[in-house]
Amino acid sequence: QVQLQESGPGLVKPSGTLSLTCAVSGGSISSSNWWSWIRQPPGKGLEWIGEIYHSGSTNYNPSLKSRVTISVDKSKNQFSLKLSSVTAADTAVYYCARTQWLQGWFDPWGQGTLVTVSS
Amino acid sequence: EIVLTQSPATLSLSPGERATLSCRASQSVSSYLAWYQQKPGQAPRLLIYDASNRATGIPARFSGSGSGTDFTLTISSLEPEDFAVYYCQQRSNWPPIITFGQGTRLEIK
Repeated sequence: QVQLQESGPGLVKPSGTLSLTCAVSGGSISSSNWWSWIRQPPGKGLEWIGEIYHSGSTNYNPSLKSRVTISVDKSKNQFSLKLSSVTAADTAVYYCARTQWLQGWFDPWGQGTLVTVSS
Repeated sequence: EIVLTQSPATLSLSPGERATLSCRASQSVSSYLAWYQQKPGQAPRLLIYDASNRATGIPARFSGSGSGTDFTLTISSLEPEDFAVYYCQQRSNWPPIITFGQGTRLEIK
């Protein structure tokens, strides 16, 4: 079955750029699904960041759109997140997830990775 | 942007009792609503999709209902492992935005 695994630095300095990668195994990133990033600040709820299709089409949360770039690398079967100009408010567990094409539900999810923004 | 409001914020029940969780949308989402369960330190797990379809491997005690703006997740008889936080989620077609409810914490009474 499809599995997802996030990777990237666990600590980012304020005003820097957060960069994460999600490796997809057990299936092709070129399937008829979107691929999303979702985050969860400590003790808080879930926030969708954005999604990408294997064609490169993207949709972003309007509240983060100016700072977010999601890209796909079909040759490596993975997709990536870049979030610029980070502050402490961007400290969160970041999840990647496969996103059903039309209805947009998420399954499966990666295990999540904690990114802390601190100097 | 469609806002999802979950109620109650916290629900205190005992094992064996029936749990009813609500999710209300600020405008119609048709039947495009999903429910997730999240336990401490774990990623959310898909329970219900398209308002009433159980995901693979989800026990029959979990059921979803509703359409339009009002949705319900019901757990017919609570097991100890069901105490967790539950989120609803929807995707709007235009603009293409995904939103979550703020969550309902189901705790042991």
